[in-house]
Amino acid sequence: DAKTTQPNSMESNEEEPVHLPCNHSTISGTDYIHWYRQLPSQGPEYVIHGLTSNVNNRMASLAIAEDRKSSTLILHRATLRDAAVYYCILPYSGGGADGLTFGKGTHLIIQP
Amino acid sequence: NAGVMQNPRHLVRRRGQEARLRCSPMKGHSHVYWYRQLPEEGLKFMVYLQKENIIDESGMPKERFSAEFPKEGPSILRIQQVVRGDSAAYFCASSPLAGQAVVEYFGPGTRLTVT
Repeated sequence: DAKTTQPNSMESNEEEPVHLPCNHSTISGTDYIHWYRQLPSQGPEYVIHGLTSNVNNRMASLAIAEDRKSSTLILHRATLRDAAVYYCILPYSGGGADGLTFGKGTHLIIQP
Repeated sequence: NAGVMQNPRHLVRRRGQEARLRCSPMKGHSHVYWYRQLPEEGLKFMVYLQKENIIDESGMPKERFSAEFPKEGPSILRIQQVVRGDSAAYFCASSPLAGQAVVEYFGPGTRLTVT
């Protein structure tokens, strides 16, 4: 998978929006951008994915830069249940293994 | 629809014993992936299987570990002669297809403790 870079941790207050950045400067034209999250003691959970256009679903929004070298996961109104490690992944990019490559992700802390 | 099922959720084995971890993919999913998460570390891909075939085992340790996904029944990750370093959470994921736009759905994991 192409390399992604995320901040180690971020902190936000409950009921406020959260913007989680991801840099992927070596992304190729066919690479999708996926976001997963892992809540404490649980398996990873799919959040959202996109290719070029911004995407919205019930969980979050994904804003993709015009040059596609970065993206931002937006949680519009964070709750305590959103405290998790968030992973930005470019699956199967660069001829890597057929599974997902999870980096260290961003540990999101939500303050009440 | 039931999600990805894994059992057991917790497994304790003594050194030298065998561990068998089971994964039932979501209904209609024929692609299964196994990942391992060592304590305080990130998830690492181990193996990718389709029904009756191992497609990519590049992340699987060369010895003691094997995986299968038979035509009928769950996928099995088998660890022979377990050692303390095998203690980890093992997650299974499934998808209906393969490819960059495909989402993997994960199970709750099996937490293996080797004593």
